[in-house]
Amino acid sequence: NAGVTQTPKFQVLKTGQSMTLQCAQDMNHEYMSWYRQDPGMGLRLIHYSVGAGITDQGEVPNGYNVSRSTTEDFPLRLLSAAPSQTSVYFCASRKTGTTYNEQFFGPGTRLTVL
Amino acid sequence: EDQVTQSPEALRLQEGESSSLNCSYTVSGLRGLFWYRQDPGKGPEFLFTLYSAGEEKEKERLKATLTKKESFLHITAPKPEDSATYLCAVQAYNDMRFGAGTRLTVKP
Repeated sequence: NAGVTQTPKFQVLKTGQSMTLQCAQDMNHEYMSWYRQDPGMGLRLIHYSVGAGITDQGEVPNGYNVSRSTTEDFPLRLLSAAPSQTSVYFCASRKTGTTYNEQFFGPGTRLTVL
Repeated sequence: EDQVTQSPEALRLQEGESSSLNCSYTVSGLRGLFWYRQDPGKGPEFLFTLYSAGEEKEKERLKATLTKKESFLHITAPKPEDSATYLCAVQAYNDMRFGAGTRLTVKP
């Protein structure tokens, strides 16, 4: 199993540009999520999905869109990049169930917006 | 509002010098408390899940404990390879809240 994969690993954008961060998992996990990690603030939840066709907002959703057309893929779209979106982005996945299951994280995408 | 606070922000130990990391939390309806390890340039790696006060989990030199308001990650006789940032997180409903982490450095 490759686990959770993310592309690209690094990206530089200009203010106002759009882009999509890709995330895929091969563990047949129902739950997938996107976090951003900023110095001194910890990981913050952007959006999450509990299954194909179902998405919801997390703590910091503004400026980001998501969709979940398949179980495996959960892309994150930046519609009009702003310098405040400079961060490291992590995708994660886990199985759902009555108890909370271990969450697996991808290697991250480091995004710089100029 | 759900909050997670970790202390200290950074900790430097000599190899073999045991210590503890603290995670204090306020959350309505705790469903679980989690510890992760994160190495530079990588994603967090799962260590432990604790569900109720009094619960303890161990893995090699690490031991996690949980009370109603805080969790401790005890590191016994650490080695340089234990150097990393340790993250604490709490699960309320579908939302997971992370602390800012403790950056641990173990000198040989």
